[in-house]
Amino acid sequence: DAMVIQNPRYQVTQFGKPVTLSCSQTLNHNVMYWYQQKSSQAPKLLFHYYDKDFNNEADTPDNFQSRRPNTSFCFLDIRSPGLGDAAMYLCATSRGGTGSNYGYTFGSGTRLTVV
Amino acid sequence: AQSVTQLDSQVPVFEEAPVELRCNYSSSVSVYLFWYVQYPNQGLQLLLKYLSGSTLVKGINGFEAEFNKSQTSFHLRKPSVHISDTAEYFCAVSDPFGNEKLTFGTGTRLTIIP
Repeated sequence: DAMVIQNPRYQVTQFGKPVTLSCSQTLNHNVMYWYQQKSSQAPKLLFHYYDKDFNNEADTPDNFQSRRPNTSFCFLDIRSPGLGDAAMYLCATSRGGTGSNYGYTFGSGTRLTVV
Repeated sequence: AQSVTQLDSQVPVFEEAPVELRCNYSSSVSVYLFWYVQYPNQGLQLLLKYLSGSTLVKGINGFEAEFNKSQTSFHLRKPSVHISDTAEYFCAVSDPFGNEKLTFGTGTRLTIIP
């Protein structure tokens, strides 16, 4: 029944070692989002894909990249993780289209620890 | 630009008591409004949403919210809470005529006291 699946649930990486988080969806939604959520804070949008069009938020560090090879999958790459990048990373999807705001469907998140 | 203010960072409530979680928004245009719930180490789950029409919106798990345009508020209520309602609650806003980007408030942690 899971519709937005994030793997892994928990990821430990070393300082400076590249890491990739994955997200897949069975909803056939057009839009996929990546959010960063630090402890006791609101989710912060990093970027999103509308189909194949990539949209980066202005304040997203260059250290964060994303790939969407097809409709179902989206990846978050952190090129050189720092201690400040430890957070919960949330993937979400939506149908897309102006005015068609049915709300997002979120995955369960990946908690990233940097050691 | 849109913004959301959740006035209470933490709300403790006795079990079976009523609760109201407050949310105010700021926007120069009309808005869509949402409440999401996040259980520990989980993603966010949609509780309810206001897009248009009736200002009283009913959601899952017995929650409801009322859109008040004059007060720019969208407070979340439940008449009788349960232990299982312990979670973080996020209010969010988006622009109906723009893309679907959500702007979240800082969240309210609801703790149910047995």
